Amino acid sequence: GAGVSQSPSNKVTEKGKDVELRCDPISGHTALYWYRQSLGQGLEFLIYFQGNSAPDKSGLPSDRFSAERTGGSVSTLTIQRTQQEDSAVYLCASSLSGTTADTQYFGPGTRLTVL
Amino acid sequence: AQSVTQLGSHVSVSEGALVLLRCNYSSSVPPYLFWYVQYPNQGLQLLLKYTSAATLVKGINGFEAEFKKSETSFHLTKPSAHMSDAAEYFCALSGGGTSYGKLTFGQGTILTVHP
Repeated sequence: GAGVSQSPSNKVTEKGKDVELRCDPISGHTALYWYRQSLGQGLEFLIYFQGNSAPDKSGLPSDRFSAERTGGSVSTLTIQRTQQEDSAVYLCASSLSGTTADTQYFGPGTRLTVL
Repeated sequence: AQSVTQLGSHVSVSEGALVLLRCNYSSSVPPYLFWYVQYPNQGLQLLLKYTSAATLVKGINGFEAEFKKSETSFHLTKPSAHMSDAAEYFCALSGGGTSYGKLTFGQGTILTVHP
């Protein structure tokens, strides 16, 4: 079946612009995660969605970052007033139920470059 | 706090040689541990996971890992390296002080395989 998909695959933007990154999880997966992969910080957790529960936003680095998940499926990560330090690969993952033993399936990522 | 340490950011082996990638963890609760592989410009792919069943875990592509509680380690091995194994490998711990599958990653190890 189809895996996790993300769009766009690459995004180049100018400092100060807003960007939206999209994630389509595996059908039937109730849990969805966003991670960021950067040279300096490695792989970092950003946010977690589970069903209709309030998301865990504890990993978001600043209030310029926000995310939503509509209808328990597609998720959008929005970065406002982008800064050069936001340049990174943003990875989305989904899992069946969100438990600690669940396997997370990752999308190919969106590479964001802020000029 | 939970953490993952991967010893050696770069490992180089000859084709046919043993692969050993080291991972140590720190966790206040029984851990669930994962190894993921990332090929260039792709997302993360699960190699194997430990979820408190057998301590020796077998994964895809001939990889295996042994959970050693006394040493707080979960090293990844493969008896004979192939050129196709060249990639970056990440060890990860699930939970991160939460009740869900938030992953805490090590810094990654780049594996190079020489002919």
